[in-house]
Amino acid sequence: EVQLVQSGAEVKKPGESLKISCKGSGYSFTNYWIGWVRQMPGKGLEWMGIIYPGDSDTRNSPSFQGQVTISADKSISTAYLQWSSLKASDTAMYYCARRSPIAADAFDIWGQGTMVTVSS
Amino acid sequence: DIVMTQSPATLSVFLGERATLSCRASQSVSSHLAWYQQKPGQAPRLIIYDTSTRATGIPARFSGSGSGTEFTLTISGLQSEDFAVYYCHQYNTWPPLETFGQGTRVEIK
Repeated sequence: EVQLVQSGAEVKKPGESLKISCKGSGYSFTNYWIGWVRQMPGKGLEWMGIIYPGDSDTRNSPSFQGQVTISADKSISTAYLQWSSLKASDTAMYYCARRSPIAADAFDIWGQGTMVTVSS
Repeated sequence: DIVMTQSPATLSVFLGERATLSCRASQSVSSHLAWYQQKPGQAPRLIIYDTSTRATGIPARFSGSGSGTEFTLTISGLQSEDFAVYYCHQYNTWPPLETFGQGTRVEIK
């Protein structure tokens, strides 16, 4: 079964660092772009950026450039989203999703989401 | 950035009726437009890609149309499981600078 499994919910304080993960299985992880999508409480979806695990080519939305780091470790089929200094406004659900040429580059497989809560 | 504008924000529909959702792009996205369904507490699910192609396992009552800047998702004969929020997504640009619409909530009338 093709799936993306994300790491569990996190509760952090402002200024703390965090790295969440997204592990792919059931397909060749290195050959598909993985995207990250933010959903703030009660709001819509926001495209953050994508990474190609095969060579770690990364493309970021200008809205998130410098705010987060997207990375991947192809040896363990895992992509990451990382913050060096969290803010309360980073409180959101974060989804990873597979960008698939089979689906004309739409996101055909989604992780279950990781809820990040930043509060003092 | 390409701005995606969905309308209406909320659509109230009776069971069995047709729902028509719109998505407008601020500039042409060719046919590179997808629709996703999101139910409360769940991740989004791909419904339509490439404007009009149903994703695997999506019933035929879902159809997509349009091109360029105007797109439509039609749900014919709404079932109870179709009540959800629907998002459009353009993935036309390279380097990628993809964007989502703000969503349309389909609710029971």
